[in-house]
Amino acid sequence: GAGVSQSPSNKVTEKGKDVELRCDPISGHTALYWYRQRLGQGLEFLIYFQGNSAPDKSGLPSDRFSAERTGESVSTLTIQRTQQEDSAVYLCASSNQGAGGTEAFFGQGTRLTVV
Amino acid sequence: AQSVAQPEDQVNVAEGNPLTVKCTYSVSGNPYLFWYVQYPNRGLQFLLKYITGDNLVKGSYGFEAEFNKSQTSFHLKKPSALVSDSALYFCAGFAGVTGGGNKLTFGTGTQLKVEL
Repeated sequence: GAGVSQSPSNKVTEKGKDVELRCDPISGHTALYWYRQRLGQGLEFLIYFQGNSAPDKSGLPSDRFSAERTGESVSTLTIQRTQQEDSAVYLCASSNQGAGGTEAFFGQGTRLTVV
Repeated sequence: AQSVAQPEDQVNVAEGNPLTVKCTYSVSGNPYLFWYVQYPNRGLQFLLKYITGDNLVKGSYGFEAEFNKSQTSFHLKKPSALVSDSALYFCAGFAGVTGGGNKLTFGTGTQLKVEL
């Protein structure tokens, strides 16, 4: 596809369940980001993948959160034992940052609601 | 550590008047700076970027931004605001290190409200 694709677009889950969010970046993009955005708020950085380097996990809020990326392709963000405060829109972005100075492209996000 | 700051949570302007949304940065080396816009219930859209060259960069929807190295600022501007410009605006940046490797850092966002 031409853009960053995220699935599902909406997810309603019960408290305590695990969820997995998927991001398909633009082909060839070396950098991939996950952000969380609560209603009406700014972007909260979660994790950053750049090529084959170790990911920057400094933004993950707790050990219930984890993310993986295989090579320069699909990434999954997993939230275990979901809590109501996890309710937010989770945004994924990719860029060809290795080329220097190129902008990040965002997906439409996954709206997670924990009930 | 690199950071990007947006000092105003909200900016109100009348339609037809010029608008400015402020951004300052603290990024090592030669910064790469970006502006994004987010309309209600939509993802983030890229507006414009500064990499090198002219300090005044032009982007989508008539927006422009001026890179000012001495003031470490990258304010977003538009000569004549439209009601349809009402949205959430984010400034972002990273250090221009060859080969990348620095993560993109966002400001906290500024809500722009353009009124008739």
